Amino acid sequence: DVKVTQSSRYLVKRTGEKVFLECVQDMDHENMFWYRQDPGLGLRLIYFSYDVKMKEKGDIPEGYSVSREKKERFSLILESASTNQTSMYLCASSPPSGRANLEQYFGPGTRLTVT
Amino acid sequence: AQSVSQHNHHVILSEAASLELGCNYSYGGTVNLFWYVQYPGQHLQLLLKYFSGDPLVKGIKGFEAEFIKSKFSFNLRKPSVQWSDTAEYFCAVSEAASKLTFGTGTRLQVTL
Repeated sequence: DVKVTQSSRYLVKRTGEKVFLECVQDMDHENMFWYRQDPGLGLRLIYFSYDVKMKEKGDIPEGYSVSREKKERFSLILESASTNQTSMYLCASSPPSGRANLEQYFGPGTRLTVT
Repeated sequence: AQSVSQHNHHVILSEAASLELGCNYSYGGTVNLFWYVQYPGQHLQLLLKYFSGDPLVKGIKGFEAEFIKSKFSFNLRKPSVQWSDTAEYFCAVSEAASKLTFGTGTRLQVTL
């Protein structure tokens, strides 16, 4: 089974802090994604990556950056956390080829609270 | 840009009732369609998917969905819900590459 793990289930940070959210997948997937999930808004794509050192902006990249130094790891960085970044953050990965790459596998999520 | 609408935000049903959750998308070309489910405290997981062929697709746990191209719809159905189906359900659409666009979700509450 595909396994996507996220470094923390719950995280509390102060406004202005730099925050790192880590995601690791164990199935050699090329594609990795970061979403935020908010009530009434569903999942919104922040950033995604098709390969190591490659990244592309999603629908809501402002205030975030990402890093993909190794194929299995995709990090989301909040350079200066703000209260409006309080949310559930979900990481996902998908295989590299054909239509199978459209099915995404999700991690358990990190609930981030910024105070 | 692609958009996905789920008009039912919160649905409450009694056990054994039938379920239909609506999903409409905006893109007029070839799309790939998904329903994901998030049970309380669990990660998001795939319920079913449509790529091509028979527009009626069956997924896990007795769920099915019907793709109606003329209506831009991909509604999720289950003939008889169980208490364990209590969860949040998300419709998602992909028109290109690996990106998915998700709807806002429908929270289903099944009462005993």
